[in-house]
Amino acid sequence: ETGVTQSPTHLIKTRGQQVTLRCSSQSGHNTVSWYQQALGQGPQFIFQYYREEENGRGNFPPRFSGLQFPNYSSELNVNALELDDSALYLCASSLWGATNEKLFFGSGTQLSVL
Amino acid sequence: DQQVKQNSPSLSVQEGRISILNCDYTNSMFDYFLWYKKYPAEGPTFLISISSIKDKNEDGRFTVFLNKSAKHLSLHIVPSQPGDSAVYFCAAPRRDAGGTSYGKLTFGQGTILTVHP
Repeated sequence: ETGVTQSPTHLIKTRGQQVTLRCSSQSGHNTVSWYQQALGQGPQFIFQYYREEENGRGNFPPRFSGLQFPNYSSELNVNALELDDSALYLCASSLWGATNEKLFFGSGTQLSVL
Repeated sequence: DQQVKQNSPSLSVQEGRISILNCDYTNSMFDYFLWYKKYPAEGPTFLISISSIKDKNEDGRFTVFLNKSAKHLSLHIVPSQPGDSAVYFCAAPRRDAGGTSYGKLTFGQGTILTVHP
């Protein structure tokens, strides 16, 4: 069973740039959720993708966008990077309809915006 | 609006003793709660959960207690081991208008647990 993998592990960008983060879901899972974890805080829900469509969004501006592909992998895109976007970005996969609400997280991408 | 709160940023205990991690919530619509554990450079991993129809759920050394009237839950680890040293998050599913939530969790800020040998 392949777990959730994210790439890259670390990334440094400058303010105003754009970034793309990637996630491969665990085998058998069809839903991908993205979370932002700022230093000293808990993960915050960004959005979720199911059937290649956005299915729910947290309190994040439109410059945060995503994609899900037919193989259930996903991308998170952030445009016009701001200093406050510096955080650990976590991808989590799950099976749609699973009532146990259990998510399987990747190790994350640490983004630093200078 | 912080609907799930962990007011203790850190907790230090001796190996073999009990660790008690606390979590408060404000949204009375939450009907399911989860605890996740996170080691450095790793993603959070699921630890234990509890439905609001129960007041206790046990899994080996880990027990979660839920007090709905106080909107409070706690995670007990007995006995604590050095390998338990990690950040612990409590979380609850965010329900949308259709009542579904799959994969959309609201997390607390986390508590850093350190277990000393």
